[in-house]
Amino acid sequence: AAGVIQSPRHLIKEKRETATLKCYPIPRHDTVYWYQQGPGQDPQFLISFYEKMQSDKGSIPDRFSAQQFSDYHSELNMSSLELGDSALYFCASSQYLSSYEQYFGPGTRLTVT
Amino acid sequence: GNSVTQMEGPVTLSEEAFLTINCTYTATGYPSLFWYVQYPGEGLQLLLKATKADDKGSNKGFEATYRKETTSFHLEKGSVQVSDSAVYFCALSVLGGATNKLIFGTGTLLAVQP
Repeated sequence: AAGVIQSPRHLIKEKRETATLKCYPIPRHDTVYWYQQGPGQDPQFLISFYEKMQSDKGSIPDRFSAQQFSDYHSELNMSSLELGDSALYFCASSQYLSSYEQYFGPGTRLTVT
Repeated sequence: GNSVTQMEGPVTLSEEAFLTINCTYTATGYPSLFWYVQYPGEGLQLLLKATKADDKGSNKGFEATYRKETTSFHLEKGSVQVSDSAVYFCALSVLGGATNKLIFGTGTLLAVQP
């Protein structure tokens, strides 16, 4: 079965640089979520989109922005990167009517040096 | 507010031992409850879920029952295997806007020794 695709899988950036993470949801899933998991931490909700509109916002820094496109894929843009942004970033997708059941991608590991 | 508390690890067991990982929650309304598993170097996999009180979720020998009276969703398995070694996250789903975000517990590392 098709799963959530995230790219890139690994990314190394320097402080103050920018990064773009991409997420391709499972076919026919219209809702996308982004989570951040720091080392040894639990995943923290960042932001979600339904039908290309932002639905909910969590602890996402102002330096980050995200959007969902017409093909339902989503991109997380991160600017002025800080060392503390080093984490595993997960994307999850669901169908709106069963949005309590989210399927996670393999994550993008971002390292900021 | 909404939160999840789960027992701290690591939990170290011998193969074929009985597993319990405790999870309690605080939530407004009626959340759905989940257990996710994360194997080393991998993403999160949904292990099981329960959407209303007294529901029992089960998968791969793991079980958890949604107990509204005790606000708990403890994970159990009768006989663990080395391959069950992973981090287990309890989570609840709360409605935010038009979508349901997940709130996770801190995770419990399970190490099963042969």
